[in-house]
Amino acid sequence: EDKVVQSPLSLVVHEGDTVTLNCSYEVTNFRSLLWYKQEKKAPTFLFMLTSSGIEKKSGRLSSILDKKELFSILNITATQTGDSAIYLCALYNQGGKLIFGQGTELSVKP
Amino acid sequence: NAGVTQTPKFRILKIGQSMTLQCAQDMNHNYMYWYRQDPGMGLKLIYYSVGAGITDKGEVPNGYNVSRSTTEDFPLRLELAAPSQTSVYFCASSSFSGANVLTFGAGSRLTVL
Repeated sequence: EDKVVQSPLSLVVHEGDTVTLNCSYEVTNFRSLLWYKQEKKAPTFLFMLTSSGIEKKSGRLSSILDKKELFSILNITATQTGDSAIYLCALYNQGGKLIFGQGTELSVKP
Repeated sequence: NAGVTQTPKFRILKIGQSMTLQCAQDMNHNYMYWYRQDPGMGLKLIYYSVGAGITDKGEVPNGYNVSRSTTEDFPLRLELAAPSQTSVYFCASSSFSGANVLTFGAGSRLTVL
């Protein structure tokens, strides 16, 4: 059965800290892995990863995929209070099924 | 473009009532999805569809039904509502699997009392 597991489930840091969020998965016929940010409404897209070892970067956020060890990480450097949100990892398989992990709730304190 | 439109935004149901959550997209997307999200949790896939006339169960399909008679519409029906179905429901669509990201609707908050 396809599965996406995120860790930690929640995290509290102070502004300026660097955080690493983890996503491990089991899936038949992997297609792509996606990261989303959710702040009290519908999730917003961050990254889509399809190939191992290629880092995707957007400002202070970056993500990488390891298809051999079946995990991805999302890094946020120099965190700000506006980074407080639930971060969701999601997995597409070849059949069109897209499943999400439980999410990591990040709280950034001033 | 309107994107993905969900209605209603809020609804309160009594136990045993039935209702349909509507979802429509105007982007000619083949893939459509229904998720539920309980407080502090991730999204659980209820049903999905890879094209008109084709639907498939997700992780938590019990108590729900869907249909996909057109590319644009993907309604979710709740039969015999139960308190366990109290949740926020999101509809989403994408052009085809894996290569494009999801476009989400704004969500529908359902309470069953």
